[in-house]
Amino acid sequence: TQLLEQSPQFLSIQEGENLTVYCNSSSVFSSLQWYRQEPGEGPVLLVTVVTGGEVKKLKRLTFQFGDARKDSSLHITAAQPGDTGLYLCAPRAGGTSYGKLTFGQGTILTVHP
Amino acid sequence: KAGVTQTPRYLIKTRGQQVTLSCSPISGHRSVSWYQQTPGQGLQFLFEYFSETQRNKGNFPGRFSGRQFSNSRSEMNVSTLELGDSALYLCASSFATPNYGYTFGSGTRLTVV
Repeated sequence: TQLLEQSPQFLSIQEGENLTVYCNSSSVFSSLQWYRQEPGEGPVLLVTVVTGGEVKKLKRLTFQFGDARKDSSLHITAAQPGDTGLYLCAPRAGGTSYGKLTFGQGTILTVHP
Repeated sequence: KAGVTQTPRYLIKTRGQQVTLSCSPISGHRSVSWYQQTPGQGLQFLFEYFSETQRNKGNFPGRFSGRQFSNSRSEMNVSTLELGDSALYLCASSFATPNYGYTFGSGTRLTVV
């Protein structure tokens, strides 16, 4: 059984601070997606990382896929209140897992003005 | 372009009743997945349909069922509702190619009383 851990579970910071959230597993993944969910809405895809060691940037957000493809991190520079939300990682195992995303418990980020 | 549409947004049902939720995917998306989200369990995969066939199923009792129509629209049904079925039910659609992201609807908030 795949063990997927996201940390920290909660993060409360001031506007302008930097932060990193982590997604770790004991399994190797074919790819990994990060989503952000705001209250009362569905998750929104932020990025897909595929290659071990891959780094992708989306404005102030930097995503990294571990070399062994077992872990990933999301770094936010100069956080803003609009970054507030639940951040979810969803690794893909490939094969017959099409259509099935296994989500971590997520990191609830609150950015105070 | 239109997003994933879920109806209804909110629903209150009594224990023992059954409920049907609807999902209209993005035009061209043939894969539709359903998820249950609760504070305690997070986002859990229910099932996925592709071209009217169920390709994947999560670990939920048989009271949870679904189907997909020829126009890719999907419905999920929960029979004999229990209090623990209270949750946000999310639908996601995709082209279902490897590493392609999923677009989620805003969900249906089901409350069982």
